[in-house]
Amino acid sequence: AQSVTQLGSHVSVSEGALVLLRCNYSSSVPPYLFWYVQYPNQGLQLLLKYTSAATLVKGINGFEAEFKKSETSFHLTKPSAHMSDAAEYFCAVSESPGRRALTFGSGTRLQVQP
Amino acid sequence: DVKVTQSSRYLVKRTGEKVFLECVQDMDHENMFWYRQDPGLGLRLIYFSYDVKMKEKGDIPEGYSVSREKKERFSLILESASTNQTSMYLCASRTSGRNQPQHFGDGTRLSIL
Repeated sequence: AQSVTQLGSHVSVSEGALVLLRCNYSSSVPPYLFWYVQYPNQGLQLLLKYTSAATLVKGINGFEAEFKKSETSFHLTKPSAHMSDAAEYFCAVSESPGRRALTFGSGTRLQVQP
Repeated sequence: DVKVTQSSRYLVKRTGEKVFLECVQDMDHENMFWYRQDPGLGLRLIYFSYDVKMKEKGDIPEGYSVSREKKERFSLILESASTNQTSMYLCASRTSGRNQPQHFGDGTRLSIL
């Protein structure tokens, strides 16, 4: 069965600092992995997805994530945080096409301090 | 861009009422999903549909049903609303095929009094 663990329900960084949001997955088959962002009172927006073509995936808004099979991780990073990055971030896994739905982590709320 | 529209942003209902949440997508996606989102629990799948009139239970289907009479519309029904169903409800759709992402609506914040 697939599952996702996001370490840290809240992360606080200073503006300009490195952002690191952690995601570990469990999957019995090679996974499809996604990061989504949710701004207040909005739905989820796709940040990036792992396609197996490259282990380092670049997404929107300067975010990227690295797939590490040996560590079963897909951590999200951004070199320099901006105030507008404050939001909740969700990691998700799918064993598609065997399972059409995604399994989501519990989310990490990112706070950016001026 | 894919557009997933949920009929209400905020909804207040009373215990025991029958509640309908509507979702429409404009991209001819085969698959549609209903999730509920609660603090600290992330998103949990209630039901999904992979074709018209086809549905499958997700992880927490109890107390809910769904309807998909047309490809673009997927309805979530609370047969007899209870206070523990107060939550944020999110609809999503995706096309079939490998590694296709889900596209989400803005959510309906439902309060059951």
